[in-house]
Amino acid sequence: GAGVSQSPSNKVTEKGKDVELRCDPISGHTALYWYRQSLGQGLEFLIYFQGNSAPDKSGLPSDRFSAERTGGSVSTLTIQRTQQEDSAVYLCASSLEWGGGELFFGEGSRLTVL
Amino acid sequence: GESVGLHLPTLSVQEGDNSIINCAYSNSASDYFIWYKQESGKGPQFIIDIRSNMDKRQGQRVTVLLNKTVKHLSLQIAATQPGDSAVYFCAESNLFSGGGADGLTFGKGTHLIIQP
Repeated sequence: GAGVSQSPSNKVTEKGKDVELRCDPISGHTALYWYRQSLGQGLEFLIYFQGNSAPDKSGLPSDRFSAERTGGSVSTLTIQRTQQEDSAVYLCASSLEWGGGELFFGEGSRLTVL
Repeated sequence: GESVGLHLPTLSVQEGDNSIINCAYSNSASDYFIWYKQESGKGPQFIIDIRSNMDKRQGQRVTVLLNKTVKHLSLQIAATQPGDSAVYFCAESNLFSGGGADGLTFGKGTHLIIQP
């Protein structure tokens, strides 16, 4: 597609359930990033992928969070046993190469944990 | 990270006036800077960028100023319009000197409100 696509756009789940968020980056972009944005706050970096590899997972908030990327394209962010504090907008971005160039963001997936 | 845990500062400007949004960055090795605009319910969008070998760059109604001495970045928006109401983020990286491990580092963001 022309831009970064994320799904679902909105997800409401019950505490304790697992959720999976999907990101489809711009075709040909090798770097992919996940950020979290709580209501009225800034961007919290979670993880990035260079190709299928995630060299640094230390930004993930807890071991309930995991992410993978296959085929150098689509990425999924999985949150297990969701908690209310996980409620936020999860933003995905891609860039042509890794290292800090312009990021192109998706519209985000808004997660609400009841 | 620095963007977590604090509510965003707010800048209120009259429509038609000029606005200046400021950002202090942390890494003296940063050599590339970007301003992003985020409208309500949307992802951040690129506005303008600047390399560290420049101190000023102009776009359409926007100007970015870079002061490396004091590690300060500003975004000037001329003749503000209602559509300029959004949250504005600065971001830094060392793109041209090897790249940061996580790419861009974002500032806290400023909420710009355009008053009619």
